[in-house]
Amino acid sequence: GAVVSQHPSRVICKSGTSVKIECRSLDFQATTMFWYRQFPKKSLMLMATSNEGSKATYEQGVEKDKFLINHASLTLSTLTVTSAHPEDSSFYICSARDRLAGVNGEQYFGPGTRLTVT
Amino acid sequence: AQSVTQPDIHITVSEGASLELRCNYSYGATPYLFWYVQSPGQGLQLLLKYFSGDTLVQGIKGFEAEFKRSQSSFNLRKPSVHWSDAAEYFCAVGPANTGNQFYFGTGTSLTVIP
Repeated sequence: GAVVSQHPSRVICKSGTSVKIECRSLDFQATTMFWYRQFPKKSLMLMATSNEGSKATYEQGVEKDKFLINHASLTLSTLTVTSAHPEDSSFYICSARDRLAGVNGEQYFGPGTRLTVT
Repeated sequence: AQSVTQPDIHITVSEGASLELRCNYSYGATPYLFWYVQSPGQGLQLLLKYFSGDTLVQGIKGFEAEFKRSQSSFNLRKPSVHWSDAAEYFCAVGPANTGNQFYFGTGTSLTVIP
């Protein structure tokens, strides 16, 4: 089956630094990838939609200058949390859709990245 | 507005007992409905999905769900729960093109006791 990986799985950084999280589709190409944020005991909240070769579309309330998204290829999207603060600590999950799967193509989710900002 | 409600935050069942997790949705168009499972610290795994046709859908790991349009519900069931089923379960609703945005419920945490 289709596999989506995320790297790193866990990261701890100091307040004020930037952290990059990678999302890769390993055995398929993804025109569109999605970035979600999950708070403890909470649902997944869509942050942005990442489109290969174009700018990401951010959900209302998500700071695009703080959460930089780059979808440089059909298999890689990156999320950079800039000037991280403790309130950015969360579980970040990406998903990707196989571009060949058609309109009913399933979204495949990555294993998530646990970010802790100290 | 699109939304998904999972009324039960936490459920505890005995191993071997039956399980039903509730999901209600509000969606402006024909909904495509999904159930995902998440183990601690892990990503999401698709259990089953409903697009059209038979309203009772079968999924992996012995799960099934029934779409009831009149009740705007898509409840997940399993006849006999195994200890390995302990996890967080999310119901989601999406548009016809599943490559677009999903709306997730807040999840139901399942504990299985011996």
